[in-house]
Amino acid sequence: AQTVTQSQPEMSVQEAETVTLSCTYDTSESDYYLFWYKQPPSRQMILVIRQEAYKQQNATENRFSVNFQKAAKSFSLKISDSQLGDAAMYFCAYRSVRETSGSRLTFGEGTQLTVNP
Amino acid sequence: EAGVAQSPRYKIIEKRQSVAFWCNPISGHATLYWYQQILGQGPKLLIQFQNNGVVDDSQLPKDRFSAERLKGVDSTLKIQPAKLEDSAVYLCASRESLAGGLRNEQFFGPGTRLTVL
Repeated sequence: AQTVTQSQPEMSVQEAETVTLSCTYDTSESDYYLFWYKQPPSRQMILVIRQEAYKQQNATENRFSVNFQKAAKSFSLKISDSQLGDAAMYFCAYRSVRETSGSRLTFGEGTQLTVNP
Repeated sequence: EAGVAQSPRYKIIEKRQSVAFWCNPISGHATLYWYQQILGQGPKLLIQFQNNGVVDDSQLPKDRFSAERLKGVDSTLKIQPAKLEDSAVYLCASRESLAGGLRNEQFFGPGTRLTVL
């Protein structure tokens, strides 16, 4: 079974600064998908960025980028030019490419990000 | 495009009572998921449907939880009888199909927060 670990329960950053959230995972599969989700107090889970394991190029979405280290099984999220609206709980998630897994997501425990004005 | 709808948003019950949650997925989405998110943790899959058939219910406590997706559209998750440890947010998500692909993402509803006293 796959596991996802987020070792930082809480992080804080000053507005306009850069912050990196850590995520490691364990799997025996060679191809899979990785995701970062944002969950504000409204509880709505919002997809931030996604990465396919066989692609070596790190994904980027505007101010959000990832550092994907497949050998180390590490998938960190970098938020540049942090904004007050980035404050939320962030979850790292894993999904197998095998259809027999049902495409379910395996989530980490989350990192609560605070953005200070 | 309308998102995933869930109701109620909040529910407070006494232990040993029964409760039901409702989910309406995005139109045309064949795959539906129910996740349980205990406070301070990441969501965990309870059950997954493909149309009106169950794909994965290995993590569903079947002695007290049940779910159905009649006609392959709306779904209901029931707890009977509820325990204190069932206090959590119950998230519903839908996906176009089981088919693989990074772009075939899950869309989440706003969740139902259950408090069992």
